[in-house]
Amino acid sequence: DVKVTQSSRYLVKRTGEKVFLECVQDMDHENMFWYRQDPGLGLRLIYFSYDVKMKEKGDIPEGYSVSREKKERFSLILESASTNQTSMYLCASRVTTGPEAFFGQGTRLTVV
Amino acid sequence: AQTVTQSQPEMSVQEAETVTLSCTYDTSESDYYLFWYKQPPSRQMILVIRQEAYKQQNATENRFSVNFQKAAKSFSLKISDSQLGDAAMYFCAYRLGGGADGLTFGKGTHLIIQP
Repeated sequence: DVKVTQSSRYLVKRTGEKVFLECVQDMDHENMFWYRQDPGLGLRLIYFSYDVKMKEKGDIPEGYSVSREKKERFSLILESASTNQTSMYLCASRVTTGPEAFFGQGTRLTVV
Repeated sequence: AQTVTQSQPEMSVQEAETVTLSCTYDTSESDYYLFWYKQPPSRQMILVIRQEAYKQQNATENRFSVNFQKAAKSFSLKISDSQLGDAAMYFCAYRLGGGADGLTFGKGTHLIIQP
């Protein structure tokens, strides 16, 4: 089974802190994604990566950056966390030639 | 830009009955995929069913089937013989065929199953 693992289920951080959300997949997928989920808004794409060290902005990249130093790992970085970044964050991966994306279990981030 | 619209924030159905969740989308592309994902309280996104745009036949997975109307850009999900375990958020999603693009999601429909 494909496994996408997010490092934390719940995270509480203070305003202004630098926050790292980590995601690891074990199926050698080329493409990895970070989404943000808010009630009434669905999931929105923040950033994605189609190869090591490659990244592309999604629909809502402001306030975020990403890092992909190894194929299996994709990190989402909040350089200076703000309360409006309190949300659920979901990581996903898939092969380029495959239709299906596989999701991690999500990290619920609260910024206080 | 592609958009996905789910017009039903919440639906309720009696156990064992049939329910249909609506989804419309907007795209100018001809090669794309459509998906329905289920998200139970555990938060794990589970793929329910997918449809390739080039296929005329509607996808079916056990009790789940879709009504794909390409010209109308409509992609509804029918759940037959509803079970308590079907209670969840359901998201309709679109992705361009090929490449590394991500999914565009609707806002979701909260499905309640009444025993």
